[in-house]
Amino acid sequence: DIVMTQSPDSLAVSLGERATINCKSSQSILYNSNNKNYLAWYQQKPGQPPKLLIYWASTRESGVPDRFTGSGSGTDFTLTIDSLQAEDVAVYYCQQYYGSPFTFGPGTKVDMK
Amino acid sequence: QVLLVQSGAEVKNPGASVKVSCKTSGYSFNDYYIHWVRQAPGQGLEWMGWISVGGGGTNSARKFQGRITMTRDTSINTAYMELNTLTPDDTAVYYCARDECGGSSCPFFNYWGQGTRVTVSS
Repeated sequence: DIVMTQSPDSLAVSLGERATINCKSSQSILYNSNNKNYLAWYQQKPGQPPKLLIYWASTRESGVPDRFTGSGSGTDFTLTIDSLQAEDVAVYYCQQYYGSPFTFGPGTKVDMK
Repeated sequence: QVLLVQSGAEVKNPGASVKVSCKTSGYSFNDYYIHWVRQAPGQGLEWMGWISVGGGGTNSARKFQGRITMTRDTSINTAYMELNTLTPDDTAVYYCARDECGGSSCPFFNYWGQGTRVTVSS
């Protein structure tokens, strides 16, 4: 199974500042034949199901604010939240869908400082 | 709009089974896969398996094989997940989710059910 790790476990960011979350896969999730990284990012608020933010490592889902940016390739990925807003307080998960089982990272909790 | 509406909370004894339903609307049910993801209290997300609604084929994570059954009823646009031989470690919120583009090529999830809380306790 592909193991996903995230860092940090949690972080506190001031309103309007940048939050950076890292995600690492235990093997490359770049599919060479189409040059796509099989990685998604989700946001989850308490009591709600996850919300898809980013897929193919860097494609923003429709309706997601452009302050959310995904980057990276191979085994190392980053979710950046520029100018953090109060509504961005949540837990963020990465997920690989390169191979079954489609594993998630353990999550990173983002709080307001 | 696309909706996935799950059945209500369940309390089960250890050793019992639970069957969760996921009624869908707003899209062509047969054209997408339905995935099941669970979340234990205070924990992260765990992918359990998928069902190809059109063909009926299934695939599940190794840890659930032999205990999980995923089915669908295309006449009522509803998918089901049954988990057998429950233990307290199966206490979790169970979600159904639809993949983004249909088929097995993009198993990331842009539509989710509201979740079904399953509690396993004697």
